[in-house]
Amino acid sequence: EVQLVESGGGLIQPGGSLRLSCAASGFTFSRKYMSWVRQAPGKGLEWVSAIYSAGSTYYADSVKGRFTISRDNSKNTLYIQMNTLRVEDTAVYYCARLSEKATALDYWGQGTLVTVSS
Amino acid sequence: EIVLTQSPGTLSLSPGETATLSCRASQSVSSSFLAWYQQKPGQAPRLLIYGASNRATGIPDRFSGSGSGTDFTLTISRLEPEDFAVYYCQQYGGSPLFTFGPGTKVDIK
Repeated sequence: EVQLVESGGGLIQPGGSLRLSCAASGFTFSRKYMSWVRQAPGKGLEWVSAIYSAGSTYYADSVKGRFTISRDNSKNTLYIQMNTLRVEDTAVYYCARLSEKATALDYWGQGTLVTVSS
Repeated sequence: EIVLTQSPGTLSLSPGETATLSCRASQSVSSSFLAWYQQKPGQAPRLLIYGASNRATGIPDRFSGSGSGTDFTLTISRLEPEDFAVYYCQQYGGSPLFTFGPGTKVDIK
C-alpha cells in the first residue's frame, strides 16, 4: 500500500524558515517523480514544486528562489526547504507522487499545516 | 501559462442524479495531460481521471471523463452520498508544471 506521510509543519514568523518532510512507503521511491502541492485555508490547490528521479527540479514562480525541493532515496524521503516565508505561504502542504507518465498526481499524503504569522 | 476555468462554481443536485462538470483551458491542452481530482472536507485530493478519460485505480465507473482541446467534462452518473465534494481539473506541462482549476463544489440539494 502506497503511503505518504508529511511532517514538519507549524507556526513560523514571517521571514523564517521551515523544512517539511514526506516519508514514503509501499513503492520504489527512487524510481518515482515527486511533488509538493499546497492549499491555503478555504482556497484551491496550488502546485509548488516537483523533483524527478534523476534530480531535475521545478518550481512555481511564487516560491522560486525561496523554496528548495530535495530527496533522499536511501531514506525514502522527500523534503522541501522553505526560506523567507511570507504570510501568503500559509497553507496545508501536500506531498504527492507523480503518476506513471508523470502527467497527474496519483497518491497524496494527508498534508501538514504551515502557518506564517507574527 | 495555461489557465483553467471550471463551471459551475457550485452544483446542487440530489442523490441519483447526474453531475456534469466543465473544465475549460485558455489554450489547447493535450488530452493526455488533463486530470480530475475529488476532495472532501479535511481530506487530501484523490485522483479520479487521468489522460482526460482514464479512471484511476479503484475509481467507480459512474465517474467518466471526456473532452479534447480546450473543453473537458467530468460526468458523475447516479450520484452517491459520498460523491458530494469539490472537484478540480488539472493540466500538466509548460510553466508551471501543473495547473489546477478553481474547483466545482457538488453539494446536496
